[in-house]
Amino acid sequence: QQQVKQSPQSLIVQKGGISIINCAYENTAFDYFPWYQQFPGKGPALLIAIRPDVSEKKEGRFTISFNKSAKQFSLHIMDSQPGDSATYFCAASIDQTGANNLFFGTGTRLTVIP
Amino acid sequence: DTEVTQTPKHLVMGMTNKKSLKCEQHMGHRAMYWYKQKAKKPPELMFVYSYEKLSINESVPSRFSPECPNSSLLNLHLHALQPEDSALYLCASSTGLTNEQFFGPGTRLTVL
Repeated sequence: QQQVKQSPQSLIVQKGGISIINCAYENTAFDYFPWYQQFPGKGPALLIAIRPDVSEKKEGRFTISFNKSAKQFSLHIMDSQPGDSATYFCAASIDQTGANNLFFGTGTRLTVIP
Repeated sequence: DTEVTQTPKHLVMGMTNKKSLKCEQHMGHRAMYWYKQKAKKPPELMFVYSYEKLSINESVPSRFSPECPNSSLLNLHLHALQPEDSALYLCASSTGLTNEQFFGPGTRLTVL
């Protein structure tokens, strides 16, 4: 059973446009929601993360929007650049002491066209 | 030092070989993870060590054997692998207080 559902599978955006990737989860115990960016042949890099006590978090051109009642969260990339072309994974977990599973979405392959 | 390092970057092995993957972090993190990632798929959790004790084993075949010699080092010993085990093997670490995980660059493994 997929704990986190991610869409779209692929996304093509013009340079300067806004890229939007959506995720949905079922487990209401999840309280940590990170986004990872992965370039081909590299490890995933933590991009930005949110906890459910806030509805939005912004870091530079990257914004997470979080809707607790709908159990959905999304990544917005403003002024998208060709260098943003990568695969993006959302994830969710229970953020507690110890080591805990990160449940990943299936990934979105973003292509930004110059 | 704010990174997770992995060696080797690439590994090609036969089905009868024994090899090991190495992961190191010097951020004082107390939880370390092994993931397997196939092409165009998300990382799949294999093993987790918390405070140097194996805390999660996601039903991984015994041909994969993890080891955590100390809080900075994590090994994955490989023996009698199958071609379908070819993948990118990722190591990650977290403080052990939160689940903010930082990944290494991975080892690209090819089993012939």
